[in-house]
Amino acid sequence: AQSVAQPEDQVNVAEGNPLTVKCTYSVSGNPYLFWYVQYPNRGLQFLLKYITGDNLVKGSYGFEAEFNKSQTSFHLKKPSALVSDSALYFCAVRVVTSGGSYIPTFGRGTSLIVHP
Amino acid sequence: NAGVTQTPKFQVLKTGQSMTLQCAQDMNHNSMYWYRQDPGMGLRLIYYSASEGTTDKGEVPNGYNVSRLNKREFSLRLESAAPSQTSVYFCASSPKSTGGLDTIYFGEGSWLTVV
Repeated sequence: AQSVAQPEDQVNVAEGNPLTVKCTYSVSGNPYLFWYVQYPNRGLQFLLKYITGDNLVKGSYGFEAEFNKSQTSFHLKKPSALVSDSALYFCAVRVVTSGGSYIPTFGRGTSLIVHP
Repeated sequence: NAGVTQTPKFQVLKTGQSMTLQCAQDMNHNSMYWYRQDPGMGLRLIYYSASEGTTDKGEVPNGYNVSRLNKREFSLRLESAAPSQTSVYFCASSPKSTGGLDTIYFGEGSWLTVV
């Protein structure tokens, strides 16, 4: 089955420290991977995506993600966390439906809490 | 530029009542989606419309119906609401009908409580 997993429900980090939010995937064929962020009481916003090319993808708000094919991972990273980064983060992977359409499937989300 | 607009934002229903969630996008996108978000479950796809005139079931379609009224509008209907349908509902859209590589744009959400 094609899916994405976020093994941590919550990540805690101190402001100024580096942060990592983990994501692993299982797909047949080439993986197309995404990260979205959700602030409280808001819809999801796109951060970045990996389609092909460089394994290090840069996105919005200083975030980046590293694609690792051998480990089937796509971890989200930021060198120096801000309190304002506190939010819910979703990893997503493109899957093919039984009808042949391509749609994103989301992980369960990881709550990032950045402490002052 | 409004993006994806959902109404209503909040709704309380009694078990067995029906209601329709409305969604409209002004970005000329081809594809539209309805997701529900529940604690610990992430986002689950209810229905999607790859292009105007088509709709398909997602992961959790039971108890719901959809209508792609035109290119802009995609509504979600609960015919007989159940407490299990208490959730936050998100409408979303993306530019193209194939490929699945597009960024998805989300509405602000509709909080539905069924008592």
